[in-house]
Amino acid sequence: AQKITQTQPGMFVQEKEAVTLDCTYDTSDPSYGLFWYKQPSSGEMIFLIYQGSYDQQNATEGRYSLNFQKARKSANLVISASQLGDSAMYFCAMRDINTGFQKLVFGTGTRLLVSP
Amino acid sequence: EAGVTQSPTHLIKTRGQQATLRCSPISGHTSVYWYQQALGLGLQFLLWYDEGEERNRGNFPPRFSGRQFPNYSSELNVNALELEDSALYLCASSLYGRSSGANVLTFGAGSRLTVL
Repeated sequence: AQKITQTQPGMFVQEKEAVTLDCTYDTSDPSYGLFWYKQPSSGEMIFLIYQGSYDQQNATEGRYSLNFQKARKSANLVISASQLGDSAMYFCAMRDINTGFQKLVFGTGTRLLVSP
Repeated sequence: EAGVTQSPTHLIKTRGQQATLRCSPISGHTSVYWYQQALGLGLQFLLWYDEGEERNRGNFPPRFSGRQFPNYSSELNVNALELEDSALYLCASSLYGRSSGANVLTFGAGSRLTVL
């Protein structure tokens, strides 16, 4: 069974600084995908970044990058140059590719607050 | 391109009543997923539909049910409502591709159900 763990209930960062949100996962399958989503107070889940288990390089999307350490089973999200609009809940999720089940399993989330 | 749309935005019911939530996926997406997010908690997988069929179901009682229509829109029904059913119900859609690890789920803004 897959499991996602996010151990930081809340994080604080000042505007323009970088922040790392932690995510560890557990799966016995060799092929899987890891996702990060942002959930503002409006409720909608916004896709940020994806990392495949066989991808050689860490994924990057603009100010978002994924620090993927396969041996440690961690996929931490790094947000560079934080902005006030980054204040939101952030969820790490994974999909087990081999089963064909397209559902995502989510962690409990980290609330990020960006201060001026 | 229109995103995933959900209705109603808010719904208030009393214990024992039935609630029906609706979801229209992104044009061309055949898969629809339903998640429950109780206050302060992560997302719990409810149901996955593809091509009109229920493909997978989460650990929820049978009074949570749904269907997918020929136009790929979907409906979630919750019978015999209980207080703990109060939550944000999120719908997501995707293209179904068994070998596509990067198959991103696109979420709607959710329907907030309050059971009194």
